[in-house]
Amino acid sequence: GDSVTQMEGPVTLSEEAFLTINCTYTATGYPSLFWYVQYPGEGLQLLLKATKADDKGSNKGFEATYRKETTSFHLEKGSVQVSDSAVYFCALSDQYGGSQGNLIFGKGTKLSVKP
Amino acid sequence: DTAVSQTPKYLVTQMGNDKSIKCEQNLGHDTMYWYKQDSKKFLKIMFSYNNKELIINETVPNRFSPKSPDKAHLNLHINSLELGDSAVYFCASSRSNYEQYFGPGTRLTVT
Repeated sequence: GDSVTQMEGPVTLSEEAFLTINCTYTATGYPSLFWYVQYPGEGLQLLLKATKADDKGSNKGFEATYRKETTSFHLEKGSVQVSDSAVYFCALSDQYGGSQGNLIFGKGTKLSVKP
Repeated sequence: DTAVSQTPKYLVTQMGNDKSIKCEQNLGHDTMYWYKQDSKKFLKIMFSYNNKELIINETVPNRFSPKSPDKAHLNLHINSLELGDSAVYFCASSRSNYEQYFGPGTRLTVT
Protein backbone atom coordinates (compact mmCIF):
# COMPACT_ATOMS: atom_id res chain seq x y z
CA GLY A 1 0.00 0.00 0.00
CA ASP A 2 0.89 3.67 -0.14
CA SER A 3 3.23 4.95 2.56
CA VAL A 4 5.28 7.95 3.68
CA THR A 5 8.67 7.85 5.37
CA GLN A 6 10.10 10.84 7.21
CA MET A 7 13.45 11.38 8.83
CA GLU A 8 13.52 10.54 12.50
CA GLY A 9 13.55 13.40 14.93
CA PRO A 10 13.89 15.30 17.05
CA VAL A 11 15.75 17.96 15.12
CA THR A 12 17.30 20.76 17.15
CA LEU A 13 18.61 23.87 15.41
CA SER A 14 19.76 27.33 16.34
CA GLU A 15 17.80 30.32 15.14
CA GLU A 16 18.61 31.31 11.53
CA ALA A 17 19.95 27.85 10.70
CA PHE A 18 18.98 26.04 7.49
CA LEU A 19 16.34 23.35 7.82
CA THR A 20 15.81 20.20 5.80
CA ILE A 21 13.33 17.49 6.77
CA ASN A 22 13.46 14.53 4.42
CA CYS A 23 10.32 12.82 3.17
CA THR A 24 9.99 9.97 0.69
CA TYR A 25 6.88 8.18 -0.42
CA THR A 26 5.62 5.00 -2.02
CA ALA A 27 2.50 5.18 -4.13
CA THR A 28 1.02 3.24 -7.00
CA GLY A 29 -0.79 6.16 -8.64
CA TYR A 30 -0.18 9.87 -8.95
CA PRO A 31 -0.47 11.19 -5.42
CA SER A 32 -0.68 14.74 -4.22
CA LEU A 33 1.82 15.61 -1.49
CA PHE A 34 1.44 17.77 1.59
CA TRP A 35 3.29 19.11 4.58
CA TYR A 36 1.30 19.72 7.75
CA VAL A 37 2.53 21.45 10.89
CA GLN A 38 1.34 20.84 14.45
CA TYR A 39 2.24 23.53 16.98
CA PRO A 40 2.27 22.51 20.65
CA GLY A 41 -1.21 21.81 21.95
CA GLU A 42 -2.90 22.46 18.62
CA GLY A 43 -4.34 20.54 15.70
CA LEU A 44 -2.67 20.11 12.34
CA GLN A 45 -2.50 22.94 9.83
CA LEU A 46 -1.75 22.60 6.15
CA LEU A 47 1.63 24.22 5.48
CA LEU A 48 2.06 23.61 1.75
CA LYS A 49 1.19 21.21 -1.01
CA ALA A 50 2.17 20.04 -4.49
CA THR A 51 -0.14 18.21 -6.81
CA LYS A 52 2.10 17.00 -9.64
CA ALA A 53 5.71 16.26 -10.46
CA ASP A 54 8.12 19.24 -10.32
CA ASP A 55 5.55 21.41 -8.53
CA LYS A 56 7.01 23.49 -5.73
CA GLY A 57 4.83 24.25 -2.74
CA SER A 58 5.78 27.23 -0.58
CA ASN A 59 4.44 29.07 2.45
CA LYS A 60 5.88 31.10 5.34
CA GLY A 61 9.41 30.66 3.99
CA PHE A 62 9.07 26.89 3.74
CA GLU A 63 9.43 25.11 0.40
CA ALA A 64 9.14 21.57 -0.90
CA THR A 65 9.47 20.25 -4.46
CA TYR A 66 7.61 17.17 -5.73
CA ARG A 67 10.35 14.94 -7.17
CA LYS A 68 8.84 11.98 -8.95
CA GLU A 69 12.18 10.51 -10.01
CA THR A 70 13.32 10.20 -6.40
CA THR A 71 9.80 9.90 -4.90
CA SER A 72 10.67 12.68 -2.48
CA PHE A 73 9.12 15.83 -1.05
CA HIS A 74 11.75 17.30 1.28
CA LEU A 75 10.83 20.33 3.37
CA GLU A 76 13.31 23.22 3.51
CA LYS A 77 13.59 26.63 5.09
CA GLY A 78 16.56 28.92 4.74
CA SER A 79 16.44 30.53 8.17
CA VAL A 80 14.36 29.04 10.97
CA GLN A 81 12.87 30.98 13.86
CA VAL A 82 11.98 29.95 17.39
CA SER A 83 8.32 30.17 16.38
CA ASP A 84 8.89 27.36 13.85
CA SER A 85 9.26 24.87 16.69
CA ALA A 86 6.58 22.26 16.02
CA VAL A 87 6.00 18.77 14.68
CA TYR A 88 6.03 18.51 10.88
CA PHE A 89 4.13 15.80 9.02
CA CYS A 90 4.59 14.76 5.43
CA ALA A 91 1.47 13.27 3.87
CA LEU A 92 0.14 11.96 0.60
CA SER A 93 -3.25 11.59 -0.88
CA ASP A 94 -4.15 8.97 -3.39
CA GLN A 95 -6.46 11.47 -5.05
CA TYR A 96 -5.15 13.06 -8.22
CA GLY A 97 -5.12 16.78 -8.81
CA GLY A 98 -4.84 18.21 -5.34
CA SER A 99 -7.86 16.73 -3.70
CA GLN A 100 -7.08 14.95 -0.48
CA GLY A 101 -9.34 12.01 0.13
CA ASN A 102 -7.81 9.92 2.87
CA LEU A 103 -4.43 11.26 3.89
CA ILE A 104 -1.57 8.93 4.68
CA PHE A 105 0.86 10.55 7.11
CA GLY A 106 4.48 10.04 7.94
CA LYS A 107 5.41 9.63 11.58
CA GLY A 108 6.19 13.30 12.09
CA THR A 109 9.45 15.11 12.82
CA LYS A 110 9.74 17.29 15.89
CA LEU A 111 11.68 20.49 15.32
CA SER A 112 13.04 22.56 18.20
CA VAL A 113 14.65 25.92 17.42
CA LYS A 114 16.84 27.48 20.11
CA PRO A 115 17.41 31.24 20.34
CA ASP B 1 -14.63 31.73 15.12
CA THR B 2 -13.50 28.15 15.56
CA ALA B 3 -13.78 26.26 12.30
CA VAL B 4 -13.56 22.72 13.67
CA SER B 5 -14.21 22.24 17.37
CA GLN B 6 -14.02 19.19 19.57
CA THR B 7 -15.26 18.48 23.07
CA PRO B 8 -13.97 17.60 25.52
CA LYS B 9 -10.35 18.67 25.18
CA TYR B 10 -9.27 16.18 27.83
CA LEU B 11 -11.02 12.96 28.82
CA VAL B 12 -9.84 10.66 31.59
CA THR B 13 -11.82 7.48 32.16
CA GLN B 14 -11.50 3.92 33.36
CA MET B 15 -11.20 0.74 31.39
CA GLY B 16 -14.51 -0.76 30.35
CA ASN B 17 -16.38 2.54 30.22
CA ASP B 18 -18.20 3.90 27.18
CA LYS B 19 -17.45 7.46 26.12
CA SER B 20 -18.12 9.90 23.30
CA ILE B 21 -16.13 12.72 21.72
CA LYS B 22 -18.02 15.40 19.85
CA CYS B 23 -16.93 17.24 16.73
CA GLU B 24 -18.57 20.19 15.02
CA GLN B 25 -17.55 22.17 11.96
CA ASN B 26 -19.00 25.49 10.83
CA LEU B 27 -17.33 25.55 7.43
CA GLY B 28 -20.19 24.05 5.47
CA HIS B 29 -18.05 21.06 4.56
CA ASP B 30 -19.60 17.81 3.45
CA THR B 31 -16.94 15.34 4.56
CA MET B 32 -15.65 14.71 8.06
CA TYR B 33 -12.90 12.50 9.44
CA TRP B 34 -11.54 11.02 12.63
CA TYR B 35 -7.83 10.43 13.15
CA LYS B 36 -5.95 8.80 16.02
CA GLN B 37 -2.51 10.08 17.07
CA ASP B 38 -0.59 7.71 19.33
CA SER B 39 2.03 8.51 21.94
CA LYS B 40 4.74 8.56 19.27
CA LYS B 41 2.82 11.18 17.29
CA PHE B 42 1.91 8.67 14.57
CA LEU B 43 -1.31 9.83 12.92
CA LYS B 44 -3.71 7.40 11.31
CA ILE B 45 -7.11 7.77 9.66
CA MET B 46 -9.94 5.99 11.43
CA PHE B 47 -13.03 7.05 9.48
CA SER B 48 -14.11 9.34 6.72
CA TYR B 49 -17.78 10.16 6.29
CA ASN B 50 -20.02 12.22 4.09
CA ASN B 51 -23.75 12.08 3.72
CA LYS B 52 -23.38 9.28 1.23
CA GLU B 53 -20.65 7.03 2.44
CA LEU B 54 -18.84 5.89 5.55
CA ILE B 55 -15.35 4.58 4.95
CA ILE B 56 -13.85 2.66 7.82
CA ASN B 57 -10.19 1.87 8.22
CA GLU B 58 -10.24 -1.90 8.52
CA THR B 59 -7.82 -1.83 11.44
CA VAL B 60 -10.23 0.12 13.66
CA PRO B 61 -11.95 -2.10 16.26
CA ASN B 62 -15.73 -2.20 16.03
CA ARG B 63 -15.85 -0.72 19.54
CA PHE B 64 -15.37 2.58 17.75
CA SER B 65 -18.33 3.99 15.87
CA PRO B 66 -18.90 7.38 14.26
CA LYS B 67 -22.34 8.94 14.49
CA SER B 68 -23.44 11.91 12.44
CA PRO B 69 -26.67 13.62 13.53
CA ASP B 70 -26.24 16.16 10.71
CA LYS B 71 -23.67 17.38 8.20
CA ALA B 72 -21.97 19.67 10.70
CA HIS B 73 -21.34 17.00 13.34
CA LEU B 74 -19.47 13.73 13.50
CA ASN B 75 -19.23 12.25 16.97
CA LEU B 76 -17.01 9.35 17.96
CA HIS B 77 -18.42 6.71 20.30
CA ILE B 78 -16.11 4.25 21.98
CA ASN B 79 -17.41 1.22 23.85
CA SER B 80 -15.56 -0.87 26.43
CA LEU B 81 -12.52 1.37 26.56
CA GLU B 82 -9.10 -0.26 26.74
CA LEU B 83 -5.71 1.03 27.86
CA GLY B 84 -4.50 1.01 24.27
CA ASP B 85 -7.19 3.49 23.30
CA SER B 86 -5.27 6.23 25.10
CA ALA B 87 -4.29 8.72 22.41
CA VAL B 88 -5.13 12.10 20.95
CA TYR B 89 -8.13 11.98 18.62
CA PHE B 90 -8.45 14.58 15.90
CA CYS B 91 -11.52 15.45 13.94
CA ALA B 92 -11.18 17.07 10.51
CA SER B 93 -13.48 18.25 7.78
CA SER B 94 -13.25 19.12 4.11
CA ARG B 95 -15.31 20.11 1.12
CA SER B 96 -15.49 16.87 -0.81
CA ASN B 97 -11.90 15.68 -1.15
CA TYR B 98 -10.19 19.03 -0.82
CA GLU B 99 -8.08 20.52 1.98
CA GLN B 100 -8.79 19.09 5.40
CA TYR B 101 -9.14 21.38 8.40
CA PHE B 102 -8.30 19.84 11.74
CA GLY B 103 -9.77 20.37 15.16
CA PRO B 104 -7.58 20.95 18.23
CA GLY B 105 -7.71 17.33 19.36
CA THR B 106 -9.08 15.42 22.35
CA ARG B 107 -6.58 13.75 24.64
CA LEU B 108 -8.10 10.50 25.91
CA THR B 109 -6.47 8.77 28.86
CA VAL B 110 -7.75 5.35 29.90
CA THR B 111 -6.70 4.18 33.35
